[in-house]
Amino acid sequence: ETGVTQTPRHLVMGMTNKKSLKCEQHLGHNAMYWYKQSAKKPLELMFVYSLEERVENNSVPSRFSPECPNSSHLFLHLHTLQPEDSALYLCASSQDIRLALSGELFFGEGSRLTVL
Amino acid sequence: QKEVEQNSGPLSVPEGAIASLNCTYSDRGSQSFFWYRQYSGKSPELIMSIYSNGDKEDGRFTAQLNKASQYVSLLIRDSQPSDSATYLCAVIAAAGKSTFGDGTTLTVKP
Repeated sequence: ETGVTQTPRHLVMGMTNKKSLKCEQHLGHNAMYWYKQSAKKPLELMFVYSLEERVENNSVPSRFSPECPNSSHLFLHLHTLQPEDSALYLCASSQDIRLALSGELFFGEGSRLTVL
Repeated sequence: QKEVEQNSGPLSVPEGAIASLNCTYSDRGSQSFFWYRQYSGKSPELIMSIYSNGDKEDGRFTAQLNKASQYVSLLIRDSQPSDSATYLCAVIAAAGKSTFGDGTTLTVKP
């Protein structure tokens, strides 16, 4: 098992669809993150969870809805997305939310989303 | 001004040369600095972390930090074609927020 696994790897959806991205970490970490990576733009932090509690929401539109049922699983529910939401969505985990102390982020392989 | 700026790419070096990747940041209170490597179609992976001023060496990689100048760099000695990737600079602010640069794409030509 790799450290952080994401499913699906690729997703194509229409603007009226509802879908979910799933992330699972097998590292025993306490913090999980959703990032968005668009072409020629830096990684954008979307949501941060620490011990299943959302601690950061970086002005993300409500059409993206995160869910963290336990410290190992993280979901991103998608509803009425726009074509400009097409991007690579990366899940990451870290040992502790205090990245300055805990060091690195471990990334999943990402879910490539295309919104038609 | 961007919070984290990396030298614009793409950067191309011949095999065996030194590749130099640069990053500046705006938050003077930033505490931790990381370099991630991202191969095309893959996720970022950490290759270097640095927390205090000076140089930190790990194999062919050297990270350099100068907090007074708000500057962090990554040097890759004896560059190999397998080093061809996009390199992301990540800066962790005192409050713990992580900010990534746009990335610099490096191509090492055989």
